[in-house]
Amino acid sequence: DQQVKQNSPSLSVQEGRISILNCDYTNSMFDYFLWYKKYPAEGPTFLISISSIKDKNEDGRFTVFLNKSAKHLSLHIVPSQPGDSAVYFCAARKSTGNQFYFGTGTSLTVIP
Amino acid sequence: DTGVSQNPRHKITKRGQNVTFRCDPISEHNRLYWYRQTLGQGPEFLTYFQNEAQLEKSRLLSDRFSAERPKGSFSTLEIQRTEQGDSAMYLCASSSKPSWTGELFFGEGSRLTVL
Repeated sequence: DQQVKQNSPSLSVQEGRISILNCDYTNSMFDYFLWYKKYPAEGPTFLISISSIKDKNEDGRFTVFLNKSAKHLSLHIVPSQPGDSAVYFCAARKSTGNQFYFGTGTSLTVIP
Repeated sequence: DTGVSQNPRHKITKRGQNVTFRCDPISEHNRLYWYRQTLGQGPEFLTYFQNEAQLEKSRLLSDRFSAERPKGSFSTLEIQRTEQGDSAMYLCASSSKPSWTGELFFGEGSRLTVL
């Protein structure tokens, strides 16, 4: 039962343009969300997070938006750079417990 | 290198054999996690330690799996009587922050192939 879904397996964007990665979740108990980035042959790296009490969190070129009513979050990367090419995972946590539920990932390619 | 270290990086075994993976977290990180990732999927939580105490286990962790962190430093994940369905990347992560932050430092993983 996939509670966190990333329906786009891949995305290609031109350098300098905006990259938008989407994520949907089904469990209304989720109250904390985050994005990880993964390069080949490396472990995932924490990127940015957002609490359910907010609808936006920004960190440099990265902004995460949360729409609780739609159970949807998105990651915006502006401007996109070739070094951003990686697999991006969104993840969510219930208000109780220590585990995060990950999506299946979106492979982003930024074309120079 | 002061990152999370996992060994071995790749293990090939025959069905029915036992395997053990080791994780050395970043020193001073008191929280340690094991996740499993299969092809085309995101990481799935297996278990969580705070210091030497195993505080949470996923129902994915069947009785063939056991994890330990005896002195609150390194951790081992043992799989007994391996099955082909156990083939996956086993990821270890550590953190000094509360688990709710999700800010984990992952190792490069140990890939298990069960023939």
